[in-house]
Amino acid sequence: DAGITQSPRHKVTETGTPVTLRCHQTENHRYMYWYRQDPGHGLRLIHYSYGVKDTDKGEVSDGYSVSRSKTEDFLLTLESATSSQTSVYFCAISESGTSGNNEQFFGPGTRLTVL
Amino acid sequence: GIQVEQSPPDLILQEGANSTLRCNFSDSVNNLQWFHQNPWGQLINLFYIPSGTKQNGRLSATTVATERYSLLYISSSQTTDSGVYFCAVDGTDSWGKLQFGAGTQVVVTP
Repeated sequence: DAGITQSPRHKVTETGTPVTLRCHQTENHRYMYWYRQDPGHGLRLIHYSYGVKDTDKGEVSDGYSVSRSKTEDFLLTLESATSSQTSVYFCAISESGTSGNNEQFFGPGTRLTVL
Repeated sequence: GIQVEQSPPDLILQEGANSTLRCNFSDSVNNLQWFHQNPWGQLINLFYIPSGTKQNGRLSATTVATERYSLLYISSSQTTDSGVYFCAVDGTDSWGKLQFGAGTQVVVTP
């Protein structure tokens, strides 16, 4: 199994509070991703990183920011949480660059509830 | 962006039965992956298969990239095969940005 951990695994917070989710990998992979999964849907990409300090937006980036100061850690921040951000958040990693096998491996997920 | 459609949306199988899940996509792809999300929510990689055929035990997959579809075959199903199966792709102009289908919910009954 790919060495990916997410913390916390579960969190309940109130509307308007800041929240930071952490993804940590031990694989030294260059690429890291944050997805969210809502009931009845597949996963949707929030933000991704292609290297330390290099990040870009995904399909559903509004209300989220990310940071990557070390290869192994990718942080997702909700500056002011809203009920619409209640979801399960998954982190993923992949090794390859713009060519070759870019298979993604997923962490265990974080269940976030915003009241 | 690239569209991904999976069928059927739901599937109920008796233990020991065989089944085929389908994934259609709307454009050329770099990456196509099949995942199994178990009842505990964990996403398990089944296949990385942008083209060709692969087999892993009772599971196999085929992607026909020129016709923009992929098939996942489950043979001799077991109750542990229950869960949701997702197909995900990224397009030639959206490398790394996986687009997921809505999934096929599979229930295998004893």
